[in-house]
Amino acid sequence: SQQGEEDPQALSIQEGENATMNCSYKTSINNLQWYRQNSGRGLVHLILIRSNEREKHSGRLRVTLDTSKKSSSLLITASRAADTASYFCATPSYNAGGTSYGKLTFGQGTILTVHP
Amino acid sequence: EAGVAQSPRYKIIEKRQSVAFWCNPISGHATLYWYQQILGQGPKLLIQFQNNGVVDDSQLPKDRFSAERLKGVDSTLKIQPAKLEDSAVYLCASSLDPVLAQYFGPGTRLLVL
Repeated sequence: SQQGEEDPQALSIQEGENATMNCSYKTSINNLQWYRQNSGRGLVHLILIRSNEREKHSGRLRVTLDTSKKSSSLLITASRAADTASYFCATPSYNAGGTSYGKLTFGQGTILTVHP
Repeated sequence: EAGVAQSPRYKIIEKRQSVAFWCNPISGHATLYWYQQILGQGPKLLIQFQNNGVVDDSQLPKDRFSAERLKGVDSTLKIQPAKLEDSAVYLCASSLDPVLAQYFGPGTRLLVL
């Protein structure tokens, strides 16, 4: 089954610095999603990037997707203490006909700690 | 709009007991998911419903876990009997379309003693 693997497992930075997390997956996908999880707001969808997109922005978030390398990265610019959370990439599964039916496989996550 | 609702938020039971979790998805969302998240890991899909039909339950331990979604809205997930390794957070999520973003509830934290 397809699985995203995040790297690094943990990242500790100072407020104001940028944070980069990477995700690698095994087989071809038509989209990849990033989620954030913290104790206050639970698991929250951040961004979905499709296979025909190379880069996507949302506020201070920038996601890239390199389908040739089967990898994606999530960049958080000018980080804040409130960005402290676990970040997961999630890849879809496909049925025998090659259609995505919604099942997502999550990686182990990157634990980001932003120190004030 | 109201988010995904789950109850209870916490549950402590002894092994071999039964437990049930309830989920109310976002109104209008046809797709509903139950995930299990063990500490330190990412969520793992247990079962996916499209309206009231099961799309995927390949990772549901069917000898002890069951789930239903009557009338295509609310859903319940049951564990009977519980084992120590079932200690985890059980997350419910819903989406408007299976290929779009999933919206998660706050989860139920289960501790089996």
